[in-house]
Amino acid sequence: TQLLEQSPQFLSIQEGENLTVYCNSSSVFSSLQWYRQEPGEGPVLLVTVVTGGEVKKLKRLTFQFGDARKDSSLHITAAQPGDTGLYLCAGAQVSGAGSYQLTFGKGTKLSVIP
Amino acid sequence: DTGVSQDPRHKITKRGQNVTFRCDPISEHNRLYWYRQTLGQGPEFLTYFQNEAQLEKSRLLSDRFSAERPKGSFSTLEIQRTEQGDSAMYLCASSLVGLAGTGELFFGEGSRLTVL
Repeated sequence: TQLLEQSPQFLSIQEGENLTVYCNSSSVFSSLQWYRQEPGEGPVLLVTVVTGGEVKKLKRLTFQFGDARKDSSLHITAAQPGDTGLYLCAGAQVSGAGSYQLTFGKGTKLSVIP
Repeated sequence: DTGVSQDPRHKITKRGQNVTFRCDPISEHNRLYWYRQTLGQGPEFLTYFQNEAQLEKSRLLSDRFSAERPKGSFSTLEIQRTEQGDSAMYLCASSLVGLAGTGELFFGEGSRLTVL
């Protein structure tokens, strides 16, 4: 069972269009992170959201953490070819013993066509 | 460059051979993680260290896999008697936890293993 479900799995859009990627879970997370990964490279952290309902903006990217801290969305405005990549969400769970577990979704592969 | 570095970037080996990957984390980071990523999947947790102590291991980490971080700095991941199913990208990440850190993971570029 996939702890974090990302949708859509694939997305191909024209340059200038808007898009939203979703990350859903039945589990509560202490924080949620979004990464972008290019082929043959490691994931690069975009943002961390911590508080339920939190909204963070990074230029044309808007990230939202659900009120119950179980889901998140990433909205891209006026997509550009440079936005092409694999977008991964990852939920963090911290135990009382200090164990830190980061679990990834399968990712959304975005292609922005010029 | 002060990011996480991994070596080698690519490794092709024959089934049954042993391979070892090295990870050098960001110098002030106290936690080091190993993940495995196959095509079409997100990274899957293998194990992590706090300084030199290995604190958690995934069930994915069979007895053919061993990871060490002897002096709390660099780490190695060894796979013995490789199988074709071991073919994947092996990602290392480090983080700083505690009063001065946020716990956010910074990934290296990965070591891609192909087992023939």
